Amino acid sequence: GAGVSQSPSNKVTEKGKDVELRCDPISGHTALYWYRQSLGQGLEFLIYFQGNSAPDKSGLPSDRFSAERTGGSVSTLTIQRTQQEDSAVYLCASSSARGARPNYGYTFGSGTRLTVV
Amino acid sequence: KNEVEQSPQNLTAQEGEFITINCSYSVGISALHWLQQHPGGGIVSLFMLSSGKKKHGRLIATINIQEKHSSLHITASHPRDSAVYICAVRDTDKLIFGTGTRLQVFP
Repeated sequence: GAGVSQSPSNKVTEKGKDVELRCDPISGHTALYWYRQSLGQGLEFLIYFQGNSAPDKSGLPSDRFSAERTGGSVSTLTIQRTQQEDSAVYLCASSSARGARPNYGYTFGSGTRLTVV
Repeated sequence: KNEVEQSPQNLTAQEGEFITINCSYSVGISALHWLQQHPGGGIVSLFMLSSGKKKHGRLIATINIQEKHSSLHITASHPRDSAVYICAVRDTDKLIFGTGTRLQVFP
């Protein structure tokens, strides 16, 4: 597609339920990132995919959070047994290259606003 | 102490004013990004810098690698520039974000 697409755009869920958030990156982008922005907080890194593998999962806040990517394309972020502190905007970004080379940029999706009630 | 510090946290300006937002970082980086986040939450990448200066329209971004400092300038500011501006540095494969600068430009 023309941009990074995330769905749903808004999700309200009850505490304790599981949720799945989806990210569809720009076609051909090999790198995919999940970030989270809690209310009044800055953005924080969650997980990075290169192809289908996740070299860096260091930002996942607990074992209730998991993510996968299939076919080097779509990624899903799953939060099990949601808690109120999980409420945030979850942002996905993709990029066409990997590693420390500086000359590539990110394209962000518009995010999924998750509210746990 | 945050690895990426931005100042000011909040900024108000009158239309037409020249605006500067600063970013200092304490880690080694391969690149620095300036991002713009509008009230709806969408993020747009404005600049990616590894050295020197870049200009796009009324926006100018500079970086001093030795001093670990970057600035974002907006010339002839306009109410549509109102947004949160976020500095982010690249640490290998992930971004580390500043907490953002909320800019409001009044007509």
